[in-house]
Amino acid sequence: AQSVTQLGSHVSVSEGALVLLRCNYSSSVPPYLFWYVQYPNQGLQLLLKYTSAATLVKGINGFEAEFKKSETSFHLTKPSAHMSDAAEYFCAVSDRAAGNKLTFGGGTRVLVKP
Amino acid sequence: GAGVSQSPRYKVAKRGQDVALRCDPISGHVSLFWYQQALGQGPEFLTYFQNEAQLDKSGLPSDRFFAERPEGSVSTLKIQRTQQEDSAVYLCASNSGANSNYGYTFGSGTRLTVV
Repeated sequence: AQSVTQLGSHVSVSEGALVLLRCNYSSSVPPYLFWYVQYPNQGLQLLLKYTSAATLVKGINGFEAEFKKSETSFHLTKPSAHMSDAAEYFCAVSDRAAGNKLTFGGGTRVLVKP
Repeated sequence: GAGVSQSPRYKVAKRGQDVALRCDPISGHVSLFWYQQALGQGPEFLTYFQNEAQLDKSGLPSDRFFAERPEGSVSTLKIQRTQQEDSAVYLCASNSGANSNYGYTFGSGTRLTVV
């Protein structure tokens, strides 16, 4: 079975500072990995995805993530936080061997301080 | 449509009442998924359709939960005899292909509160 662990349920950063959200996965097959963002009372919006091409993936809103097979990690970063980045972020792995369903981590809530 | 539409946005049900939640996926999307998101947690898989075929229902928590997609477009998630533990946001997502490489588009969800 696949699983995703997000370290830190809450992260607080200052505006303009680096955002780093950690995600580790376990998968028996080469994974597809995703980061989603969720604003209050809204659905999930895809930030970026890794599908076995380039290991450094660039997404929307200035976010990027690096797939590291040796560390089974897919950490999300943004060089300079903006107030609009305050939201909840979910890492997910796709189970291609079982119907393509997504398994999500528990989420990390980001607070941006002015 | 331009996005995945879910209705109602909010539903309050008395314990024991039956509810039906609707999902309108993006037109032409083959795959449709239902997820349950409890407060403060990540979404958890409930069930998956490819066109009208329900290929995976392993995440449905009990036989009180039933989903259908009879014509391969609109889907309905039905919960019978609702219980307090069913209170959650129910998210629907659709995907243009059978391969998750495409990434899903999620609806805004239905927030169900059972009182």
